[in-house]
Amino acid sequence: GNSVTQMEGPVTLSEEAFLTINCTYTATGYPSLFWYVQYPGEGLQLLLKATKADDKGSNKGFEATYRKETTSFHLEKGSVQVSDSAVYFCALQTGANNLFFGTGTRLTVIP
Amino acid sequence: GAVVSQHPSWVICKSGTSVKIECRSLDFQATTMFWYRQFPKQSLMLMATSNEGSKATYEQGVEKDKFLINHASLTLSTLTVTSAHPEDSSFYICSARASRTSYNEQFFGPGTRLTVL
Repeated sequence: GNSVTQMEGPVTLSEEAFLTINCTYTATGYPSLFWYVQYPGEGLQLLLKATKADDKGSNKGFEATYRKETTSFHLEKGSVQVSDSAVYFCALQTGANNLFFGTGTRLTVIP
Repeated sequence: GAVVSQHPSWVICKSGTSVKIECRSLDFQATTMFWYRQFPKQSLMLMATSNEGSKATYEQGVEKDKFLINHASLTLSTLTVTSAHPEDSSFYICSARASRTSYNEQFFGPGTRLTVL
């Protein structure tokens, strides 16, 4: 079956620290992989995605590389800001419809 | 980006009553809308997929008679929790997929927190 295992939070970092949020997956076939971000009081927003092995998704300084050999899609950012404080969800999609989500990781960045 | 709204953002009701949650795509037409449920510290679980003008497709284990979904227009879907009980208390999130996107991106609403007393 399909599932996503995501690093549990919460994660608290100082501004300008390096961020890694781990995500591994189990899927039938060849899924697309996503990171969504949810800022307080808002809906989930697509942060980045990768559709095939070795693809790197990037946006707003965040990056994640689709690693088929390790079934991973870890989220990284070299220097976090207070405005990055949010909940981050890793997700996969097979076929046209269903998204399978991880449990979410709450990130708090302190000045 | 595309905007999806939900109303209400939170609701408290008595056990046995019904609650309706609205999901609207504000600036695009959505042929498909999705309803998710999220328990504390757990992932979003897909409840059902609704296509405009047709019956919703429910995921295994979701009671279709309890969670009524209507997708009567390209911008509105509703979820009605009938005869709500405390175990139905949860965070309900909808998403919508635009009709002419070349990829299947879903745009999410901010969620509705339901508390059943």
